[in-house]
Amino acid sequence: EVQLLESGGGLVQPGGSLTLSCAASGFTFSSYVMNWVRQAPGKGLEWVSTIGIGGNTYYADSVKGRFTISRDNSQNTLYLQMDSLRAEDTAVYSCAKDIVASLAPDYWGQGTLVTVSS
Amino acid sequence: DIVITQTPLSSPVTLGQPASISCRSNQSLVHSDGNTYLSWLQQRPGQPPRLLIYKISNRFSGVPDRFSGSGAGTDFTLKISRVEAEDVGVYYCMQTARYSRSFGQGTKLEIK
Repeated sequence: EVQLLESGGGLVQPGGSLTLSCAASGFTFSSYVMNWVRQAPGKGLEWVSTIGIGGNTYYADSVKGRFTISRDNSQNTLYLQMDSLRAEDTAVYSCAKDIVASLAPDYWGQGTLVTVSS
Repeated sequence: DIVITQTPLSSPVTLGQPASISCRSNQSLVHSDGNTYLSWLQQRPGQPPRLLIYKISNRFSGVPDRFSGSGAGTDFTLKISRVEAEDVGVYYCMQTARYSRSFGQGTKLEIK
């Protein structure tokens, strides 16, 4: 059974940093494109970042230069390092895996809440 | 960047009746590999998103056949042939044709 479990969310002050983790199980982690997607309270889905099988990384303009996506295939874990956090980064952050060769996110975690506030 | 516009933003539907959601892109979603990467996801209240359709019209595993997707280029449609109570939620289209992915604003499906 595919499982994605996010952790690391919490309350952080504006300008602060936080690292999110996504522990994956039930599939061959190294063979899949992985994503971070966020959802601000009461709002729609917003794509944040994607990392390819070979480690290529892609970011939304809203987080480029502040967030870093990475993966540790030996630990089956996806990360999102978030720096220079702003109030508008407040959201539930979820990780999701893509279907092989179909560029669609088929399994999602429950998400972890990040609140940026003083 | 690709901007996705969904219509309507809210759709009250009678149980057993059909529903249709439109998704329009400001650029073609045809990838350089020839495929069109447009997906539809459902988010029930309090739940993570669930993949319904990928590459325009391919139903994901376990998705009922009352859900269907169609379209090409920049215009796409999700249809539910007969709405059931469990279909209540927000529906999103998503493009992954470019390295920078994007979602539509979401369409809230509710029962009249």
